[in-house]
Amino acid sequence: AQKITQTQPGMFVQEKEAVTLDCTYDTSDPSYGLFWYKQPSSGEMIFLIYQGSYDQQNATEGRYSLNFQKARKSANLVISASQLGDSAMYFCAMRVTGANSKLTFGKGITLSVRP
Amino acid sequence: EAQVTQNPRYLITVTGKKLTVTCSQNMNHEYMSWYRQDPGLGLRQIYYSMNVEVTDKGDVPEGYKVSRKEKRNFPLILESPSPNQTSLYFCASSSLTGLYEQYFGPGTRLTVT
Repeated sequence: AQKITQTQPGMFVQEKEAVTLDCTYDTSDPSYGLFWYKQPSSGEMIFLIYQGSYDQQNATEGRYSLNFQKARKSANLVISASQLGDSAMYFCAMRVTGANSKLTFGKGITLSVRP
Repeated sequence: EAQVTQNPRYLITVTGKKLTVTCSQNMNHEYMSWYRQDPGLGLRQIYYSMNVEVTDKGDVPEGYKVSRKEKRNFPLILESPSPNQTSLYFCASSSLTGLYEQYFGPGTRLTVT
């Protein structure tokens, strides 16, 4: 079974500063993908970034980067130059190959950006 | 525009009154799935479908039914809703090639009184 752990309490960051949101995972499957989603107060799930288990380099998408440490089974999201619009809930998720390609989600982290 | 649509977006109903939440995608995806989101629990999978007429239970299937008669549609049926099914529901779809993202619908906020 797969498991995603997000244990940080609500996070606060000053506008324009960088912030790291932690995520650890557990799976015995060698082939998997790691995802981060953003959920603003309006409720929709917004895909941010993806990292494959065989990818050699850390994924980056604009201000988002994923610090992938395979041996430690961690996939932390780094947001650079935080903006007020980054205030939201952030979910880490994992998907493995197999009969059910479901996403296994963590419980989420609330990020608040201070002006 | 590639998208997943859900209807209704908001629904308040009473215990025992059958309801259906529709889900449709226009990306010709094989895989579709329903999740529910509850505070402190993240998102949990209810049912999924690998293709037309192929459905299976996820982690929390009790009290729900689904069908997949067409590739684009994957309705969620609550035959006799109960208050513990009050939740935020998401439909998602994806291709089955690679490990790429699941596209999510906008969500349906359901309240059962």
